[in-house]
Amino acid sequence: NAGVTQTPKFQVLKTGQSMTLQCAQDMNHEYMSWYRQDPGMGLRLIHYSVGAGITDQGEVPNGYNVSRSTTEDFPLRLLSAAPSQTSVYFCASSYDPSGNTIYFGEGSWLTVV
Amino acid sequence: QKEVEQDPGPLSVPEGAIVSLNCTYSNSAFQYFMWYRQYSRKGPELLMYTYSSGNKEDGRFTAQVDKSSKYISLFIRDSQPSDSATYLCAMSVLPSGANSKLTFGKGITLSVRP
Repeated sequence: NAGVTQTPKFQVLKTGQSMTLQCAQDMNHEYMSWYRQDPGMGLRLIHYSVGAGITDQGEVPNGYNVSRSTTEDFPLRLLSAAPSQTSVYFCASSYDPSGNTIYFGEGSWLTVV
Repeated sequence: QKEVEQDPGPLSVPEGAIVSLNCTYSNSAFQYFMWYRQYSRKGPELLMYTYSSGNKEDGRFTAQVDKSSKYISLFIRDSQPSDSATYLCAMSVLPSGANSKLTFGKGITLSVRP
C-alpha cells in the first residue's frame, strides 16, 4: 500500500522555470490538498480538491496551479518559479468528510535559485 | 496576531519526563483540534484529535482543549527518545477531512535525551 506518493523528492529550479510536482494516492480518497512548509511559518494550504474536476484555492495560491482530472492524481504546477517558492511541499489526502484523518506524503524539497 | 500561536521551542527533556506542548488561537469558530507529529524529512502524521472542549487520552498521550481560553495542550507521559520529533498543532472550523482546510501552528521540536 503506497499511500500518498510525491515526486520528485528533491528539485532545484532556476528563477522563471516551470515545473510540476506530482502527487498520487492509491486509497481512492476524494479529498486532496497541497501544503507548503516554511521555517517559522508552519504548514499553509495552497490548493485543495474535493473530487475529480473540482479544485479551490487555499491560503497561499498565488504562483501555483492545480488540476484534478482523476481521483488518484493531484499535480501542483509552478508557473514561473521564484525564490520565494523555495519550500517543502506536502500533498495530502483524506476520505471522510466528517472525520479528521488526513494522510500526508513524504514531501518534495524545492529550491529556486 | 496569527490565528494559531505555538510555543517556539526547541524543547529538550530527559527520558521519562512529562512533556507539555501548548497552542493558543484567536478564531473562536475552530471546533476541531489536532496534534500532528513530524519526524525529520517526513510528512506529518496525525497523533490526536479532539472535537470541542475536553480531554482525550491515548496511551502516553493526552490532548486537552479549553475553548473558553482558546488554549490546547498535548501531554506526553514517560517520554521516550522515539518521541523526538516536531509537534504541530492544527485546527479547523469544519471536519478537516472534507477539504483539509487546516490552520497549523509553527511547530515545536522536541528532543528526548536517553
